[in-house]
Amino acid sequence: KQEVTQIPAALSVPEGENLVLNCSFTDSAIYNLQWFRQDPGKGLTSLLLIQSSQREQTSGRLNASLDKSSGRSTLYIAASQPGDSATYLCAVASGGSYIPTFGRGTSLIVHP
Amino acid sequence: NAGVTQTPKFRVLKTGQSMTLLCAQDMNHEYMYWYRQDPGMGLRLIHYSVGEGTTAKGEVPDGYNVSRLKKQNFLLGLESAAPSQTSVYFCASTSSRDRGYFSGNTIYFGEGSWLTVV
Repeated sequence: KQEVTQIPAALSVPEGENLVLNCSFTDSAIYNLQWFRQDPGKGLTSLLLIQSSQREQTSGRLNASLDKSSGRSTLYIAASQPGDSATYLCAVASGGSYIPTFGRGTSLIVHP
Repeated sequence: NAGVTQTPKFRVLKTGQSMTLLCAQDMNHEYMYWYRQDPGMGLRLIHYSVGEGTTAKGEVPDGYNVSRLKKQNFLLGLESAAPSQTSVYFCASTSSRDRGYFSGNTIYFGEGSWLTVV
């Protein structure tokens, strides 16, 4: 059974800092890994998707890397802003059917 | 393009009542999922579907039933609601192809349905 762990569970940083969120998974036979953002009271919005054959993906200030062999992914946020405050979740798709398994998320607060 | 739409957004039920949550997607996606999200538990898969007319159990299926009679709709039913089913329910969908090309299977979520069982 695929298990996904996210560390840290919560993070509070001053504006402007560069930060790294971590995601680890137990079964390396994955289709892809996806990072999501969730604002309070809202659904999840996809940020970045990394195929199993890829090493990283970038979108603006966000960069996600994937090391499938070690079962790890990182989400790097450059020059953090208060608007980045949200919960960030990673999801790993694996299994015979395309089943995404989610971590419990990292709650990020960026204070001015 | 509405994406994934869930109805209702909020509902209060009494123990033992039944109800159906509707998920509709307009992206012609094959895969659809129902998750519940609880504090400290993360997102847990209830049921999923890999195509019209097919459904399968996820991690926490007990007390729920689903149907996928049309490709665009995925219904989640609670036959006899219990307080333990108080949660936020999310529907999601994805496809192996996007605009005709093999895609990265981006997963799209609805805005959630808040259910309270008293």
